[in-house]
Amino acid sequence: GAVVSQHPSWVICKSGTSVKIECRSLDFQATTMFWYRQFPKQSLMLMATSNEGSKATYEQGVEKDKFLINHASLTLSTLTVTSAHPEDSSLYICSASGRGLPTFFGQGTRLTVV
Amino acid sequence: GENVEQHPSTLSVQEGDSAVIKCTYSDSASNYFPWYKQELGKRPQLIIDIRSNVGEKKDQRIAVTLNKTAKHFSLHITETQPEDSAVYFCAASKGNQGGKLIFGQGTELSVKP
Repeated sequence: GAVVSQHPSWVICKSGTSVKIECRSLDFQATTMFWYRQFPKQSLMLMATSNEGSKATYEQGVEKDKFLINHASLTLSTLTVTSAHPEDSSLYICSASGRGLPTFFGQGTRLTVV
Repeated sequence: GENVEQHPSTLSVQEGDSAVIKCTYSDSASNYFPWYKQELGKRPQLIIDIRSNVGEKKDQRIAVTLNKTAKHFSLHITETQPEDSAVYFCAASKGNQGGKLIFGQGTELSVKP
C-alpha cells in the first residue's frame, strides 16, 4: 500500500508551548488529509479534514484556533497544537487519500505535555 | 452526522475458532465501509473494505458482509491465529474511498493458543 509518514513519532513539550506535527504522503499525491486523535484504548476521533490549498474543515467541538492545520502541497499537511496543555496529550494520527485510493494512515505522533 | 456503533468491545476466542465483529451505521448515504486492524503501538492497517453495491467480500480467512437495509456490516475471521490478536475498527464513509472515515469504538480481539 501507499506510504504515509508522520514526524516526529513522539514529542514531549512544556505546557503553554506549541508543537508542529508533519504528515507526508511519500509515494502518491494526497488530495485530502485527515487528522485524528486517539486516546489510550479508545477509537480514532476525527478532528479535521484538510484539502490541499484550502482551509481545513473542523469537526464539531474541535477548536480551530488551537489546532492549526495547513495543507500547502499535495504531499504535506501540518498540525500545530498551540498553547498545549496536559489534556492535549494523546496520539495524533494523520491519514491521506488520493484519487481512487483508499485511506492510508501515518504511524502516529505521541504528544506528551508536561 | 454519521455515527458508527461497534460490538463487542472485547472478544476472546480459541485458536482455530471464528470471530465475528458487528457494526451499525446511521447515515444511509454512507457507501464505503473499511475495516482496520491496529496492533499495539502501531498504525491502523486496512484489512478489507466493501462498497455499498456489494453484499459480501472475502479475502482468504477474512470476509465482510453488508446489509444496507438494516445498515449494518460485519467482519468475519475464520481459523483464527494468535497473530490475529489486535484491535479492529470498522468505519463508514460517504462519497468514495477517500472520504472522511467515522470509526466505530473498536474491538479488542484476543486469540488464545
